[in-house]
Amino acid sequence: QQQVKQSPQSLIVQKGGISIINCAYENTAFDYFPWYQQFPGKGPALLIAIRPDVSEKKEGRFTISFNKSAKQFSLHIMDSQPGDSATYFCAASGNFGNEKLTFGTGTRLTIIP
Amino acid sequence: GAVVSQHPSRVICKSGTSVKIECRSLDFQATTMFWYRQFPKQSLMLMATSNEGSKATYEQGVEKDKFLINHASLTLSTLTVTSAHPEDSSFYICSARGIGTGEATNEKLFFGSGTQLSVL
Repeated sequence: QQQVKQSPQSLIVQKGGISIINCAYENTAFDYFPWYQQFPGKGPALLIAIRPDVSEKKEGRFTISFNKSAKQFSLHIMDSQPGDSATYFCAASGNFGNEKLTFGTGTRLTIIP
Repeated sequence: GAVVSQHPSRVICKSGTSVKIECRSLDFQATTMFWYRQFPKQSLMLMATSNEGSKATYEQGVEKDKFLINHASLTLSTLTVTSAHPEDSSFYICSARGIGTGEATNEKLFFGSGTQLSVL
């Protein structure tokens, strides 16, 4: 019930391409869905987040698409750059984003020239 | 954005010794702090949640006598790994959450840079 499933486990994208990472959740009480970016040896940093009252949120090259009925959300990175190479985690929490976060399993993204 | 400082970034210790990791919120008051453990190429596993001035709440399977958490002020939480053993070697990450402003409180959640613990 509390799981957040993330795919793919790893992803290689050519520079300039679109990187897409998907997550699915089961708990309908979740109401806050952030994405975190983590570089090796560092803690995660919030990239972008969405609430279930909207289907899409865009910040620069990063877009979250949210499908409430399917209980799925995805991260799209447009014009992917080598500096985007990192591990990305989706997460979810309930109670207006006040509860503890449940993290996905992570996606290691590599952008190749 | 807000800064959470975590020290040390790396520690190597002998088996049986205790190690203390500090997590400080530098420019905001952290009412809640979280401690995670992360194994290589794996996700973050929540170990415990601590609220300032009260006892930490540990996740199932986490030994509270082994992983001592103190959150004595609004800007400092510490994790002490007591009698560390090689199986405790891991990347430990703290996060601090400030007072919400009506938006999702987790939007005010910030992570430290992590501590790599190696127990010989």
